[in-house]
Amino acid sequence: LAKTTQPISMDSYEGQEVNITCSHNNIATNDYITWYQQFPSQGPRFIIQGYKTKVTNEVASLFIPADRKSSTLSLPRVSLSDTAVYYCLVGEDAPGYSSASKIIFGSGTRLSIRP
Amino acid sequence: GAVVSQHPSRVICKSGTSVKIECRSLDFQATTMFWYRQFPKQSLMLMATSNEGSKATYEQGVEKDKFLINHASLTLSTLTVTSAHPEDSSFYICSARAAGGSADYTEAFFGQGTRLTVV
Repeated sequence: LAKTTQPISMDSYEGQEVNITCSHNNIATNDYITWYQQFPSQGPRFIIQGYKTKVTNEVASLFIPADRKSSTLSLPRVSLSDTAVYYCLVGEDAPGYSSASKIIFGSGTRLSIRP
Repeated sequence: GAVVSQHPSRVICKSGTSVKIECRSLDFQATTMFWYRQFPKQSLMLMATSNEGSKATYEQGVEKDKFLINHASLTLSTLTVTSAHPEDSSFYICSARAAGGSADYTEAFFGQGTRLTVV
């Protein structure tokens, strides 16, 4: 499984766009990039997943450069409720995966949003 | 969307007793479930992989005799912390995803977690 590196923490203000970058220099050809969000005393929640270029859903956007050695999670116009820990994961989560594929978490980024 | 439910959400037990935590997939069948432990301000640490109908696979450093895992059916896995001690106090989280086979990705779903406090 490819190792990921993220900033330990980030601060921002309500209404701002927040970008969290994750480095995964040894990503493999079959690896997908997945981001999870975790609030205190809750289980992680899936945010977004991508393989290359750009992916957007109702919550966030994910930007992946051509070399795929990094990715950036973009949260538009954050609010106080976006304060959480965000995890970047890289692994064989390809379509048609095995349900037995492990999900290994890195250290995550603790995002704090201020009024 | 698919839901994974854990019970109890919070438990306090005396040192030396055993505690059972249940993890259920409510609307899909899960042949494989995962158990994690999370200490304050730290990331999730994978403890073991629970396999329906067979023995669990434990990660290095996790005592299988202390953390008993039973995957009794395709929708239920249990984690029993035996002879619990204060150092076992932690946040335990289970995870599961539906079996693959389609061209669409299916993300993993996590339970809400169980806060175990051993006194």
